[in-house]
Amino acid sequence: DQQVKQNSPSLSVQEGRISILNCDYTNSMFDYFLWYKKYPAEGPTFLISISSIKDKNEDGRFTVFLNKSAKHLSLHIVPSQPGDSAVYFCALYPTNAGGTSYGKLTFGQGTILTVHP
Amino acid sequence: EPEVTQTPSHQVTQMGQEVILRCVPISNHLYFYWYRQILGQKVEFLVSFYNNEISEKSEIFDDQFSVERPDGSNFTLKIRSTKLEDSAMYFCASSEMGQGLYGYTFGSGTRLTVV
Repeated sequence: DQQVKQNSPSLSVQEGRISILNCDYTNSMFDYFLWYKKYPAEGPTFLISISSIKDKNEDGRFTVFLNKSAKHLSLHIVPSQPGDSAVYFCALYPTNAGGTSYGKLTFGQGTILTVHP
Repeated sequence: EPEVTQTPSHQVTQMGQEVILRCVPISNHLYFYWYRQILGQKVEFLVSFYNNEISEKSEIFDDQFSVERPDGSNFTLKIRSTKLEDSAMYFCASSEMGQGLYGYTFGSGTRLTVV
């Protein structure tokens, strides 16, 4: 399943700097785009999402950008903190899910973010 | 903050045995899901459940798998005859609404090891 790709397996950033996590997808059949964070021995935790009709959504230190023409999604974390060190997954929710069919999230493979003090 | 609770945290079973993974979703949530992550691979959707029936399932969710909401609080995943390739982290999730914009709340997972 190559619909969703996170091409960087890892990212290392200095505390206080910007972290930029990227996600690419191969078709346009998604309505919502989400970012999850995962610590070891825990389940994924929802961070932020964006609808396909928008190109930016901001929540505190987290901003998600959607470029539909490029089929590209990114998450910016500013300023980065050591507690942000985790695996970050993009997850996409399909178009036309609803009614009696509740759509599945399609996950990327994740990027390990390490924020150094 | 409300949590999705999964038990056990780790289950070891012999190949061919049945296992039941248990989940207690958030109490006011109406939509329930199972996902799994095989070591080194992506998190994969298995099944979604609403109004006491399966609303969608993936090709992974074959006849060996079943889900049930036996009472008002538990949501279970049963694997009838486990295979080595069923070894994975299994995550239960729940949501108040079915559409995905607000995300799903995931449990901490059950690590299933089939030997």
